[in-house]
Amino acid sequence: DIQMTQSPSSLSASVGDRVTITCRASQSISSYLNWYQQKPGKAPKLLIYAASSLQSGVPSRFSGSGSGTDFTLTISSLQPEDFATYYCQQSYSTPRSFGQGTKLEIK
Amino acid sequence: EVQLVESGGGLVQPGGSLKLSCAASGFTFSGSAMHWVRQASGKGLEWVGRIRSKANSYATAYAASVKGRFTISRDDSKNTAYLQMNSLKTEDTAVYYCTRHDDYVWAFDIWGQGTMVTVSS
Repeated sequence: DIQMTQSPSSLSASVGDRVTITCRASQSISSYLNWYQQKPGKAPKLLIYAASSLQSGVPSRFSGSGSGTDFTLTISSLQPEDFATYYCQQSYSTPRSFGQGTKLEIK
Repeated sequence: EVQLVESGGGLVQPGGSLKLSCAASGFTFSGSAMHWVRQASGKGLEWVGRIRSKANSYATAYAASVKGRFTISRDDSKNTAYLQMNSLKTEDTAVYYCTRHDDYVWAFDIWGQGTMVTVSS
């Protein structure tokens, strides 16, 4: 099974900041890496698929990069609505697996 | 409107059973693989299992933590997926989400609102 590890687990930032979250897979997953945003009490929302493709309707301040085992999610200029928890997820093999999450909080 | 609506959650005693439903609308359900993901309070997302489409022989797969206790099925005539949970344990307490795995983006692109399952005596 593939293990996904995110860092950091939590992050404090201000509106307008540029932030980066990293995700590492325990083995190569090519570009089969997705990013989700989850707000309290809500279902996750797909942001990025295939490591770097922006899901329809997602603001362009979100971007993803990486391949193999190392991936990043970048938010170029934080907006108030971006404070949430972010998860990476591999779709390379079954069982699917998620990172433990990164909670993005307001500084 | 594209949506998934879960139902069937509730309070059940350890060792008991519960069956969740996931009703789909607004997309071609019969051609979609459907997955279940759960989230314990304050914790991260945990993949539970999936069922593929008829074209893929309705193949199922499960997380090790639920294998042998949980069963996923579907009724394409009702646009509904199911999660039958038996021999429930306190550690199965969580919000259960159903989600569609899209074969183009190869990701979970549609999610239900979730249904709460509490296993407690």
